[in-house]
Amino acid sequence: DIQMTQSPSTLSASVGDRVTITCRASQSINSWLAWYQQKPGKAPKLLIYRASSLQSGVPSRFSGSGSGTEFTLTINSLQPDDFAIYYCQQYNSYPPLTFGGGTKVEIK
Amino acid sequence: EVQLVESGGGLVQPGGSLRLSCAASGFRFSTYSMNWVRQAPGKGLEWVSYIGSSSSTIYYADSVKGRFTISRDTVKNSLYLQMNSLRAEDTAVYYCARDGGGTFDDWGQGTLVTVSS
Repeated sequence: DIQMTQSPSTLSASVGDRVTITCRASQSINSWLAWYQQKPGKAPKLLIYRASSLQSGVPSRFSGSGSGTEFTLTINSLQPDDFAIYYCQQYNSYPPLTFGGGTKVEIK
Repeated sequence: EVQLVESGGGLVQPGGSLRLSCAASGFRFSTYSMNWVRQAPGKGLEWVSYIGSSSSTIYYADSVKGRFTISRDTVKNSLYLQMNSLRAEDTAVYYCARDGGGTFDDWGQGTLVTVSS
């Protein structure tokens, strides 16, 4: 199984900050990586697929990059609505489909 | 608009059974693969099971293999998860999610399953 590791687990930031979250795969997953946002009590929402493609309707301040085993999610100019938990997920090799442990972006 | 509505969750004793349902609307259900994903209280996301559009391909996480059965009814536009031999560690919110070729493109609101005596 492919293990996904996110860092940091918690990130404190202010509105307007640029935020970067890292996701590492235990083996190459090419660009088969997705990012999700989850707010308290809500279902996750797909933000980015294939490492860098923005899902329809997602604000352009979100961007993704990387390939192979190392990936990043960047949020430019953090907005109040962006405080949430973010998960990466690989879909290069399955089953199983696997998620990272999550990164909580909290208000500084 | 895609809508996925789960139901069937609740409190069940260890060793018991439960059947979850997911009613789909707003898209051509018969042409999409579907998944179940769960989230234990305060924990991360865990993929549980996948079913192809024609039901010919089915996958399970090792943690539920042999105990859970995924199925679908294209006439009723519904996805199901039959859960048997439930354990405390199965306690979670269960989401159905529309498959986007390995991604989870749309999600339901989730249904809570609590396994406790």
